[in-house]
Amino acid sequence: GAVVSQHPSRVICKSGTSVKIECRSLDFQATTMFWYRQFPKQSLMLMATSNEGSKATYEQGVEKDKFLINHASLTLSTLTVTSAHPEDSSFYICSAKRGNTIYFGEGSWLTVV
Amino acid sequence: QQQVKQSPQSLIVQKGGISIINCAYENTAFDYFPWYQQFPGKGPALLIAIRPDVSEKKEGRFTISFNKSAKQFSLHIMDSQPGDSATYFCAASFEGGGNKLTFGTGTQLKVEL
Repeated sequence: GAVVSQHPSRVICKSGTSVKIECRSLDFQATTMFWYRQFPKQSLMLMATSNEGSKATYEQGVEKDKFLINHASLTLSTLTVTSAHPEDSSFYICSAKRGNTIYFGEGSWLTVV
Repeated sequence: QQQVKQSPQSLIVQKGGISIINCAYENTAFDYFPWYQQFPGKGPALLIAIRPDVSEKKEGRFTISFNKSAKQFSLHIMDSQPGDSATYFCAASFEGGGNKLTFGTGTQLKVEL
């Protein structure tokens, strides 16, 4: 079964609004989670590393103020896309490490209209 | 240094045939090489992974071959089935890099009847 859960799986929001995506580790604690973005027919692009109890580490070129990451507990990380625009429409995927293996969530489709 | 090159971009194999996907890396610090399978609209699912201390790992119909000196690794899918039709990503990471996965560009596999 799934070890990492994402919610919502699909979300449509209006341009200019904010939307939050949750990533939960199931039955294990994850001090570190990762957020990726994937465009159709392309590879996964790492956006940021979410660290429990501290600030996220963003990859070069990713706007910190636009993609807010909060890792408030050992089983939950959230990604908030602020002031969303149509170009933010994408597939967002989180992952977490359990033992020596990195597991991915099912992904969240964001459509900004 | 962080790049992982993957080929081919797409692959068509007849049912029962062998699918082979290749990856090459530059960073010799990488010490974990997983392969992920992704179906349309879903998150990547871990298929099989290898560490550099072995040259081959087999799990069912899936085999990873690893060549440390050439900095290459490949995925072999034996007796390919239509249900194997998906996009496959190789990846690499190292503990000193925060276990962040660097992904290949992906291979779209189609297994025909």
